[in-house]
Amino acid sequence: DAGVTQSPTHLIKTRGQQVTLRCSPKSGHDTVSWYQQALGQGPQFIFQYYEEEERQRGNFPDRFSGHQFPNYSSELNVNALLLGDSALYLCASSSVIGLWEQYFGPGTRLTVT
Amino acid sequence: AQKITQTQPGMFVQEKEAVTLDCTYDTSDPSYGLFWYKQPSSGEMIFLIYQGSYDQQNATEGRYSLNFQKARKSANLVISASQLGDSAMYFCAMRNSNYQLIWGAGTKLIIKP
Repeated sequence: DAGVTQSPTHLIKTRGQQVTLRCSPKSGHDTVSWYQQALGQGPQFIFQYYEEEERQRGNFPDRFSGHQFPNYSSELNVNALLLGDSALYLCASSSVIGLWEQYFGPGTRLTVT
Repeated sequence: AQKITQTQPGMFVQEKEAVTLDCTYDTSDPSYGLFWYKQPSSGEMIFLIYQGSYDQQNATEGRYSLNFQKARKSANLVISASQLGDSAMYFCAMRNSNYQLIWGAGTKLIIKP
């Protein structure tokens, strides 16, 4: 049973560029949440997708957007990258029935130079 | 405002000793959940233990137990018989009524041989 997978593992981008991160949820899960974890800090909730729609959103600017596909996989897009966007981006999947039980992927480490 | 506070930035513990990691929370929601996650240097968040706000008994999972004191709004993690592999960052998190996870800043635990 495959767990949550994320790609790519590492990414280096330049200020002003755009980036897309990908997440495949654990088998049987239909809800995907994205988190940003800056170095030395706890994760911050970005948004959550269910039934291909954004259901919840944290305190992040519109430069952060996402998408969920019919197979429940998800993408996180960040436009006009800033140095402060450098972080570990974590994807977590869950079932809408058991939203409390979130399984995390290994994360994508984004470095903006 | 909903908040998680972890007051111990770092801890050193001798192998085989028990360790308590502190967590206090602040919320006005009557229903919430409290989590502990372990994050090794690889970056993946590993679920350890969960306590619901209405659970009467403290949660236990193997060597992990959660000391839940609702009146004091604390949810400390106790690890019995610590092992070298327990060295990692530990995060306390709270699920709010919108099913968002709010995270503490984490505690870095180092187990000494």
